[in-house]
Amino acid sequence: QVQLVQSGGEVKEPGASVRVSCKASGYTFTNYGFSWVRQAPGQGLQWMGWISPSNGNTNYAQNFQGRFTMTTDTSTSTAYMELRSLRSDDTAIYFCARLNGNTWWDNFDSWGQGTLVTVSS
Amino acid sequence: DIVVTQSPEFLVVSLGERATINCKSSQSVLYNSDNKNYLAWFQQKPGQPPKLLIYWASTRESGVPDRFSGSGSGTDFTLTISSLQAEDVAVYYCQQYYSTPLTFGGGTKVEI
Repeated sequence: QVQLVQSGGEVKEPGASVRVSCKASGYTFTNYGFSWVRQAPGQGLQWMGWISPSNGNTNYAQNFQGRFTMTTDTSTSTAYMELRSLRSDDTAIYFCARLNGNTWWDNFDSWGQGTLVTVSS
Repeated sequence: DIVVTQSPEFLVVSLGERATINCKSSQSVLYNSDNKNYLAWFQQKPGQPPKLLIYWASTRESGVPDRFSGSGSGTDFTLTISSLQAEDVAVYYCQQYYSTPLTFGGGTKVEI
């Protein structure tokens, strides 16, 4: 069965960077795209971007362009996100989500458990 | 950007009664070439990630109970829970995947 297991929670100071991983299993990694979605405490869901593990193509939300990078490692079936220049309003749970295909216009069908990133001095 | 608006924000329903959640997009999410509505519904319980319920506006995900159904086309959509069960207490989100940035509605909290 499809499993997405994310790395553990992080506490970072303002201005720092954070990297979160999402290890996939139970399917052929390169056949499905990933998105990263975040959820601030008590708030709704915000899409950050999409990446295709098969060719590395990406599509970033304008809000995050310039300080957000998504990558994948096909040798370990792992997706990564890095967010730089962290601010207090980046405090959120970050989810990886698999798409039901290799394009950004496929629906999300599986989610990681989420990683809490806390930005505080 | 496509703005997705859900209503109501909170919904209190008795056990066994029908729950109806509305979702409206600021522009059509119906793609004419395949006649599909690029809209999905998710359920999120506290401390859990969202769970896919419905995609293409009306296709139920495998394993989702048939009391959940989706309807609508173009800009107006509905998620219906035909007979609310205790385990359905959650926040429900709709999401469009017609264009980037992909966007979610603000959520509807369903309580008993």
